Amino acid sequence: AQRVTQPEKLLSVFKGAPVELKCNYSYSGSPELFWYVQYSRQRLQLLLRHISRESIKGFTADLNKGETSFHLKKPFAQEEDSAMYYCALNESEGGYNKLIFGAGTRLAVHP
Amino acid sequence: KAGVTQTPRYLIKTRGQQVTLSCSPISGHRSVSWYQQTPGQGLQFLFEYFSETQRNKGNFPGRFSGRQFSNSRSEMNVSTLELGDSALYLCASSLLGTERNIQYFGAGTRLSVL
Repeated sequence: AQRVTQPEKLLSVFKGAPVELKCNYSYSGSPELFWYVQYSRQRLQLLLRHISRESIKGFTADLNKGETSFHLKKPFAQEEDSAMYYCALNESEGGYNKLIFGAGTRLAVHP
Repeated sequence: KAGVTQTPRYLIKTRGQQVTLSCSPISGHRSVSWYQQTPGQGLQFLFEYFSETQRNKGNFPGRFSGRQFSNSRSEMNVSTLELGDSALYLCASSLLGTERNIQYFGAGTRLSVL
C-alpha cells in the first residue's frame, strides 16, 4: 500500500541550527512528492514539490528514489519556521489528485 | 484571486443527523478534493471531483458522499453521523496543466458530533 512516513512528531531546535525533517515513502509507481506547511492559525499551504527542484524560504528537499526518501532541509532555522510540516505523495494516475499525507512533524524553533 | 472558501466554518450536530458542507474553489479550478483531518488518523483523502464527476474515492463508508456543480462548487454530505465523524474537513482545489497537482486548501469546516 502507498504510505508516507514522518518518523518525528516533534522537532525542536534553536534559531540558526540546521533542520532536517524526515520523510520516507512507499509507492509502486513514479512518485510525485510535496511538502505542505501549516503555520499557526493559517491554512495548509504548499511549501515545495520535488519536480520544481526549487528552494522556498530557504528550504530544499531532494527526492532519493534509492532510499525512498524526500527529506526537508534548511541550513539555518528561523523562529518564523515554527509550524506543522506534512510530507505528501500524490497517488495519481492520469492526472487525478489524491494526496497521501504523512502524520506531520511539528517544528519548534526556539530563540 | 480569492482562495478556496469553505462554509460553514463550524458545525455542531448530534449522532444520527446528517450534514452538508460546502466548498467554493479558486476561480478557474475545476478539480475539488476533500480530506478529513483528525488527531488520530491525520489527513485522509475522501474523494475528488472534476467536471461534476467523482474521479477518485478514499476508504470511507458510503455515508460520506459528495457532488460537484457546473460552476465547480462542491458539497460533501455525511449521513447518520457518528461520534467518530468529528473532524476538520478540508477542501482543496487545483488547476489543470502543469500546475494540476498543486492543491490549494481552504480553512476547513470543523464538525463536532455530540
